[in-house]
Amino acid sequence: AQSVTQPDIHITVSEGASLELRCNYSYGATPYLFWYVQSPGQGLQLLLKYFSGDTLVQGIKGFEAEFKRSQSSFNLRKPSVHWSDAAEYFCADLSGAGSYQLTFGKGTKLSVIP
Amino acid sequence: GAGVSQSPSNKVTEKGKDVELRCDPISGHTALYWYRQSLGQGLEFLIYFQGNSAPDKSGLPSDRFSAERTGGSVSTLTIQRTQQEDSAVYLCASSFRTASSYEQYFGPGTRLTVT
Repeated sequence: AQSVTQPDIHITVSEGASLELRCNYSYGATPYLFWYVQSPGQGLQLLLKYFSGDTLVQGIKGFEAEFKRSQSSFNLRKPSVHWSDAAEYFCADLSGAGSYQLTFGKGTKLSVIP
Repeated sequence: GAGVSQSPSNKVTEKGKDVELRCDPISGHTALYWYRQSLGQGLEFLIYFQGNSAPDKSGLPSDRFSAERTGGSVSTLTIQRTQQEDSAVYLCASSFRTASSYEQYFGPGTRLTVT
């Protein structure tokens, strides 16, 4: 079964600092990977996705992620964090074309210090 | 355009009562999903509808849970004889189901509290 691991439960960064959130997926021939963000009391908002092609993908709100097959990773990055980025971030895997069940990591809660 | 909507946003019910949760998907999306988000289990898949095909109910945790989708649009998730362990946020999502589009768009969720 597919699995997604987010090693960091909680990360705190200062506003303006860079950010990297880690995500590892279990082996899959065709990973379809996503990052979602959830603000308190809100649903999940799609930040970006990777299906194929360029391994560096750009998303909304200034986020990007890099797919590294050799490391089974899909880490989320942002060069300069804003206070409004404080939220919980979820990495998810669709387990390849034809599948439809998203498998989520446990999430990483991001706190931003002013 | 309008996103996925869910109602109610919050529901408090007594143990043993039945509850119905509603989801209105994005217009034109043929696929609809229900997920459950709880502290202990994280985000879990519950059920999937695609067009007129039979739904995939493999994620439903017990036979107290059921869901239907009427007219290929609105969906209702029903939990009978609620238990305290059913307390969670129930999220609905919808998507196109084409070869080039797999993104699932989520609603704001319904927070269910069973007392």
